[in-house]
Amino acid sequence: QVQLQESGPGLVKPSETLSLTCAVSGYSISRAYYWGWIRQPPGKGLEWIGSFYHNGDTDYNPSLKRRVTISVDTSKNQFSLKVTSVTATDTAVYYCVRLGAGWLYFEVWGRGTLVTVSS
Amino acid sequence: VLTQSPGTLSLSPGERATLSCRASQSVSSSYLAWYQQKPAQPPRLLIYGASSRAAGIPERFSGSGSGTDFTLTITRLEPEDFAVYYCQLYGSSPLYTFGQGTKLEIE
Repeated sequence: QVQLQESGPGLVKPSETLSLTCAVSGYSISRAYYWGWIRQPPGKGLEWIGSFYHNGDTDYNPSLKRRVTISVDTSKNQFSLKVTSVTATDTAVYYCVRLGAGWLYFEVWGRGTLVTVSS
Repeated sequence: VLTQSPGTLSLSPGERATLSCRASQSVSSSYLAWYQQKPAQPPRLLIYGASSRAAGIPERFSGSGSGTDFTLTITRLEPEDFAVYYCQLYGSSPLYTFGQGTKLEIE
């Protein structure tokens, strides 16, 4: 059974770069599926950040595209998220996800990690 | 844009819940999914393709709708069903969007 686990600093200073990693177990990300990141500000709704396919294709939310990069390390079976020039509005729980068949919905979720942007 | 209603729904265990999700333009029913989120937990996929239950989801959860109007129905509410529910749409820009959520609370 595939499992996802986010990790990274819980506190980032304004204007710096937020970096998170998602470790995948139970499935090789190089085999197939789309994988990605979603975030949720405290007490608010869900926002898709971006996704990538195992062949390297990536899609980003236009509202974040300028500041976001998703990268993959197949040797470690993990993928990463970087968000540059963060502000308080980037404070959120960040989830890594695996999309379901057809890449239309989010089938598997990590437990999420809270990142707070504050000086 | 996805608009969910009501914002909050107050019901009692055993009752029937009807949650609405409206798209700003007609969409394929294949592109509509529903999630349940409990406090301090990630969302859980309930319904995909507007009406297909995800693995392990009880039969009391059902989805329906087409075009711009979609519905999540929970028959005979159980105590563990009280949570926040989100609809999600694939397509256009951004590629994936969520509704603002409906909070289902115990009356």
